[in-house]
Amino acid sequence: DTAVSQTPKYLVTQMGNDKSIKCEQNLGHDTMYWYKQDSKKFLKIMFSYNNKELIINETVPNRFSPKSPDKAHLNLHINSLELGDSAVYFCASSSRQGLAGFEQFFGPGTRLTVL
Amino acid sequence: QQQVKQSPQSLIVQKGGISIINCAYENTAFDYFPWYQQFPGKGPALLIAIRPDVSEKKEGRFTISFNKSAKQFSLHIMDSQPGDSATYFCAARAGGYQKVTFGTGTKLQVIP
Repeated sequence: DTAVSQTPKYLVTQMGNDKSIKCEQNLGHDTMYWYKQDSKKFLKIMFSYNNKELIINETVPNRFSPKSPDKAHLNLHINSLELGDSAVYFCASSSRQGLAGFEQFFGPGTRLTVL
Repeated sequence: QQQVKQSPQSLIVQKGGISIINCAYENTAFDYFPWYQQFPGKGPALLIAIRPDVSEKKEGRFTISFNKSAKQFSLHIMDSQPGDSATYFCAARAGGYQKVTFGTGTKLQVIP
C-alpha cells in the first residue's frame, strides 16, 4: 500500500565509504526526485528524473550519482562519504497529469549518519 | 531569485488559536504555491496549494492568502489543535519540470 518507499530507513557508516539509497514509487508517476534535509530542516532538491531522464541537477558534488533504471525507481549512490553528508534524504515523486498534477509525494526518508 | 523566505522560524499557539505563517518570494515566474506539513520522522505531505490567479483558498481549517502584487502568501490555521504541531514548509514552483523551492520551515507547537 506504500506510495513512495525508501530503503534503508537508517544508514550509519564511516567516512570514506560508498553507500546507496533506494527509492520506489507505485503511484504511476513519471517524475522522481531526491531531496536533502539538513539538521536545520532545510529541504533542498538535489536531482529530478522524468521518464528516466535527468532533468534537474542542482549543485551537488560529483560523489552523488542518481540512477533511474525505470520510471518507478530512483536510486542514489554516494561515493567517499563525508561528515557533511549526514542528513535525511527524501525521495519524492509526482505526475503532471490529472487533478493531482504537480503534487509531490514524499517517501519516509533515509537518515544518513557519517561517522 | 529562486529563494522563498519564510517566517517565523518557530511558533507557539494556544489550542483554539490562529496560527499564521508567512512567506515571500521574488521570482515572478513561480506559478504554483504549495504548503507542506511534516511530522517528526516522516516525509513532508502536501497540505494545501494555490495558484497566483486566486487570492485565497480554504480547505477546512487551513487557508492560504495570496498577494500577487506584494509577492507574499501566508498559511492560516484556524482553531489550531495539538495534532497540528508539525513543521510547515511553504514552497513555490517555476518551470515545466516542477522544480519546487522550499521555504526554511516553521516549527509549530500547539499547546493545550
